[in-house]
Order: sequence, then C-alpha cells, then structure tokens
Amino acid sequence: DGGITQSPKYLFRKEGQNVTLSCEQNLNHDAMYWYRQDPGQGLRLIYYSQIVNDFQKGDIAEGYSVSREKKESFPLTVTSAQKNPTAFYLCASRKQARTDTQYFGPGTRLTVL
Amino acid sequence: AQTVTQSQPEMSVQEAETVTLSCTYDTSESDYYLFWYKQPPSRQMILVIRQEAYKQQNATENRFSVNFQKAAKSFSLKISDSQLGDAAMYFCAYRSAGYGGATNKLIFGTGTLLAVQP
Repeated sequence: DGGITQSPKYLFRKEGQNVTLSCEQNLNHDAMYWYRQDPGQGLRLIYYSQIVNDFQKGDIAEGYSVSREKKESFPLTVTSAQKNPTAFYLCASRKQARTDTQYFGPGTRLTVL
Repeated sequence: AQTVTQSQPEMSVQEAETVTLSCTYDTSESDYYLFWYKQPPSRQMILVIRQEAYKQQNATENRFSVNFQKAAKSFSLKISDSQLGDAAMYFCAYRSAGYGGATNKLIFGTGTLLAVQP
C-alpha cells in the first residue's frame, strides 16, 4: 500500500532531551512537510523540503531541525531549545505539480514529562 | 499574508440531516486552492474536497459539496445525509497556486468540531 508512515505514534521525552520523529513515504512525492497541531489551533508549518538535500524553515522552525537525505524520508528532531514541545506532529507529502494535494501521515503525539 | 477563519468552534447535526460549516479567508491573490480536511478521533487528516479558485463550478464529492463565493472570500462545506462516521474536526485550508517554495504550504483555520446525533 502506498502511503505516509510516522513513528512512533506516542513519544515521551524528558526535559533537556532531543528526540527524533520519523516520517517515511512511498508515494514518490517530491515535497515533504512537518506541521505542529495544538489544541484550539490549526496546523502550523515547521519545516518543508522540496527536493533531497534541501529544506526550508516554515513559520515556527525555532527549536526544530530536519534532514532530507533520501526522497522517501524526512525526519524531524525536536531539540531541547524548543520551549513547549508537547503537541501533535503531522507529516505530509505532495507531488510538486501545481495542482497536487498534500496528503498526511497518521501523526505522532509528543509529550514532555 | 493569507488567513483562514472558521467562526464555528462546534456544530451539531442529526443523523440523515444536512449541515453547513463556514469558512472565510483573506488573500490578495487571484489564483489559489481551497480545501476541507476531516480529522476524526484517530487524528489522521483526510482530504474531503478541493476547490480551484479559477473554476466557478462548486466542487462536489458524493455527500460533500462546497459553496465557493470568490468575491465574498467564502468557502462553506455542506454535508448531506449526515452519518455517524462524519463526526470529526473539520479544517478549512488555503494554498497559493504558485509553484514551489513556501507558497505550497497550507494555511489552516482553527477547525470546527462536528457532532452527529443518532
């Protein structure tokens, strides 16, 4: 089945630790995105990547880092610099054609203890 | 900058009835896309329907249809014959039609939580 997978589904982190969230897609999509969702708010863009080895900051990139070494993979690291990391994180991907739609993975719930 | 506003935090509908969710947006662009995404309790974001701004005809997908009013910058979602499985958070989203870069990002509203009563 083609799709987007995210792991783990739930993640717990102690303060001061870095954690990495996985996002993999087998849709042969060019672009990948990371969004953060907080209660009562819509999704906000953290980082995006249009091609391998290239990525750009979104609206709320502080305290996060990403890499794009393979077309299929776009991991997100939540660093200790992120002041309020507890949230739901969604990965999305899209073919780069003008009319294409973004499709989302199932998400990862990160909780800082 | 573009913004998306959903003014109804919660809505309720009886099973088999029709409900309309509201969405307004602000943009200076003439070419863009609008979307409705559904997020059920599983939290998976599912595309419900998509509208291209340069198309005057309202998009329809089975029981879901939109009322796109470009001049008023309004994009409402109508769900007909509501089913229990329609209960979810619904998000309206905007995307510029430009190619590449941050123009491809989705700008979301804050969502409307739809309850379906049996």
